[in-house]
Amino acid sequence: KNQVEQSPQSLIILEGKNCTLQCNYTVSPFSNLRWYKQDTGRGPVSLTIMTFSENTKSNGRYTATLDADTKQSSLHITASQLSDSASYICVVSGDTNAGKSTFGDGTTLTVKP
Amino acid sequence: DTAVSQTPKYLVTQMGNDKSIKCEQNLGHDTMYWYKQDSKKFLKIMFSYNNKELIINETVPNRFSPKSPDKAHLNLHINSLELGDSAVYFCASSLAGSGRSYNEQFFGPGTRLTVL
Repeated sequence: KNQVEQSPQSLIILEGKNCTLQCNYTVSPFSNLRWYKQDTGRGPVSLTIMTFSENTKSNGRYTATLDADTKQSSLHITASQLSDSASYICVVSGDTNAGKSTFGDGTTLTVKP
Repeated sequence: DTAVSQTPKYLVTQMGNDKSIKCEQNLGHDTMYWYKQDSKKFLKIMFSYNNKELIINETVPNRFSPKSPDKAHLNLHINSLELGDSAVYFCASSLAGSGRSYNEQFFGPGTRLTVL
């Protein structure tokens, strides 16, 4: 069964600190892995998308890594800001059809001043 | 603005009623989706349409019926609403097709449905 597990479930950090969110998956075959940010009351917004051949991708202060051998991904947030408070969702697709995707349950990040 | 839009943003209704949520995208995408996000914030796919054809239909009660009049619209009609239908419903779209290594999804702002 295809699964995506994220950890931690929730995280509280102080503004300016770095943090790393984890995503482990058992989806097979593998096409791509996406990280989304979902602000409260809004729809998810894509942060990064990585295919099998990519092992790191950055989007500003967000850096995602992918180890396709161990089926693990991480999202590193540098110099956190209050606006980083959100839910971060890892999504793994088994083919190019985005609808055939497995969603993680998300990590809720709270950045405090 | 190019985007995925949904109406209404909020919907409060009584149990047993029938309601619809509309979704439109002007991104030129050919695939649209409906997701349900429950109170625990877990996102679950409900339906996916490609070029007005249903391609994914997860285990969803047949009280839920998607309707796609054209590629840019995917509406969700719900009959005989139940308390458990209370959730946030998200519409999304993407561009399918071969030769692409991935197809990014763009989500709408969500419709918060409350059934009393």
